[in-house]
Amino acid sequence: QVELVESGGGLVKPGGSLRLSCAASGFTFSDWYMNWIRQAPGRGLEWMSYISHGGDARNYADSVKGRFIISRDNAKNSLYLQMNTLKAEDTAVYYCVRDRGGSAFDIWGQGTMVTVSS
Amino acid sequence: QSALTQPASVSASPGQSISISCTGTSSDIGGHIYVSWYQQQPGKAPKLIMYDVVRRPSGVSDRFSGSKSGNTASLTISGLQAEDEGDYYCSSFTTTNTLLFGGGTKLTVL
Repeated sequence: QVELVESGGGLVKPGGSLRLSCAASGFTFSDWYMNWIRQAPGRGLEWMSYISHGGDARNYADSVKGRFIISRDNAKNSLYLQMNTLKAEDTAVYYCVRDRGGSAFDIWGQGTMVTVSS
Repeated sequence: QSALTQPASVSASPGQSISISCTGTSSDIGGHIYVSWYQQQPGKAPKLIMYDVVRRPSGVSDRFSGSKSGNTASLTISGLQAEDEGDYYCSSFTTTNTLLFGGGTKLTVL
């Protein structure tokens, strides 16, 4: 079945780095734009970044531009998010999400929790 | 990049209809058709229930419908059921190739 499974979350100190991974299965990963979306505890959804099929097009929310880097390895059916210079306000559940087109997110992972705290 | 504006909460009794508004600007909602809606129930990932303003994914009840007028999109749920309780989020692609979500609306079925 179609599935996205995130990993790599955890506790990190302010200023630290973390790399999230997302393993895709059940569909042709290279056919789809992919995104990262986060949700702080008790808060709403916040879009972080997208990457195109081949990785040549990417964009980021202003809140993470210059600190986060999205990438993908289509041979490994995997999506990544390198998070640098982490801040307390980056604490959230991070979701790996497939874009069915028109920025409509039809497949979501279960999320991975990132906590930034000293 | 300000979030889209949604009411914080809405409530109604089973069988009634409700609408949730989502207000943006000409740079997002008013600029194209890429407006979507998501339902999120406690402890779960969001679920896509509407896209391209008016299109329902396969498997989503036809009690859900979408519309847009100018810079405001709306989600209507008719024949409310207890299972419809949850948080609802709108989203819109923007003219700067980013995406905005609304702040979310908590739906309570009385």
